[in-house]
Amino acid sequence: ETGVTQSPTHLIKTRGQQVTLRCSSQSGHNTVSWYQQALGQGPQFIFQYYREEENGRGNFPPRFSGLQFPNYSSELNVNALELDDSALYLCASSLSAGGRTEAFFGQGTRLTVV
Amino acid sequence: AQSVTQPDIHITVSEGASLELRCNYSYGATPYLFWYVQSPGQGLQLLLKYFSGDTLVQGIKGFEAEFKRSQSSFNLRKPSVHWSDAAEYFCAVAYGQNFVFGPGTRLSVLP
Repeated sequence: ETGVTQSPTHLIKTRGQQVTLRCSSQSGHNTVSWYQQALGQGPQFIFQYYREEENGRGNFPPRFSGLQFPNYSSELNVNALELDDSALYLCASSLSAGGRTEAFFGQGTRLTVV
Repeated sequence: AQSVTQPDIHITVSEGASLELRCNYSYGATPYLFWYVQSPGQGLQLLLKYFSGDTLVQGIKGFEAEFKRSQSSFNLRKPSVHWSDAAEYFCAVAYGQNFVFGPGTRLSVLP
């Protein structure tokens, strides 16, 4: 039991719409990272939040944005959805920022854009 | 650029047989390396990690991995595979604020 929970588990949206995905980090963890996993591929880093500030970003356009709240939970927002945004979105929490620390992943949100 | 390769897209083994999943990485400094497992429709579960020290690391579910700096490899092994080990396996290297993952190896287990 990792303690990282994501909601919703599945979501279907229409191209052009906006979506918000949510993540509750494991107790005591102040860092949340988001990953996109397309079908048949490894996860790709979107961005990381540390103490409510963005702390690094992968090669994703600005329509991918996020928030982290004082309780360290986090949201991922995607605007102007495209068909290629269909993927499993994974949230990972860790005790500190930086990749050189163990991360615990949630079960993911499966987003389908039609 | 940092990268992780997993040469085998799909491996099939018989239950009880030994297993080795290959992982090669490209990273300029001392790497922090991880193996994760993903069951269908699920998130990632950490099997084991290498930060420093002994190059043979033990993980959960009877898995182990060996770090070989000279070969830039971090191969995952298990002496006897169980049917419940069927899943997708990802090797990852820590880089900056995040992990760089390999493309994964899908493991099928024959009864």
